[in-house]
Amino acid sequence: QVQLQESGPGLVKPSETLSLTCTVSGASISSYYWSWIRQPPGKRPEWIGYMFNSGSTNYNPSLKSRIIISVDTSKNQFSLKLSSVTAADTAVYYCASSLGVAAAADAFDIWGQGTMVTVSS
Amino acid sequence: IQMTQSPSSLSASVGDGVTITCRASQSISSYLNWYQQKPGKAPKLLVYAVARLQSGVPSRFSGSGSGTDFTLTISSLQPEDFATYFCQQTYMTPWTFGQGTKVDIK
Repeated sequence: QVQLQESGPGLVKPSETLSLTCTVSGASISSYYWSWIRQPPGKRPEWIGYMFNSGSTNYNPSLKSRIIISVDTSKNQFSLKLSSVTAADTAVYYCASSLGVAAAADAFDIWGQGTMVTVSS
Repeated sequence: IQMTQSPSSLSASVGDGVTITCRASQSISSYLNWYQQKPGKAPKLLVYAVARLQSGVPSRFSGSGSGTDFTLTISSLQPEDFATYFCQQTYMTPWTFGQGTKVDIK
């Protein structure tokens, strides 16, 4: 059974860098696409970007200048760094992937539980 | 690609049939997925590629459409279906979601 678990600070100061890690169990991080998605309270989810093939990436242009998604294959983890954060970056952050037959449609069939990150001084 | 759902919210009773509409700002072929989200939980995939039901999803859920206009239908609402529903296009990145439709109890 595949499981994803996000971890990282719940509070980040404005202008600093938000850093989150997603630990994958039950599947190899070297296969599939691994995404970060965020959802501000009461709003729609926003796709941040994905990593695949142990390092190739595709980022949302709206965030591209501030984000880095990286992988640690030895720990079966992938990470998100979002720099120069503001209050607008306050959201629940999810890691997610497409592992089953729905992968043909790039639909997210597996999600982490999400972690709330608040940007505040 | 902008995704617009209607209505933004609706009230219905157990046993009612419900239809939610999702419109894309350009053609997305069949790259349209639907998710259900309950408070404090991650979204759950219900339907992918317009009409394909994810494993374990009850058959009262169905999807249809093509091009720019899509629908999610719940044939007979059950108590566990009261939630928020999002559509998502994966035709091109950045993948985008609709604003959501909240289904609550009348």
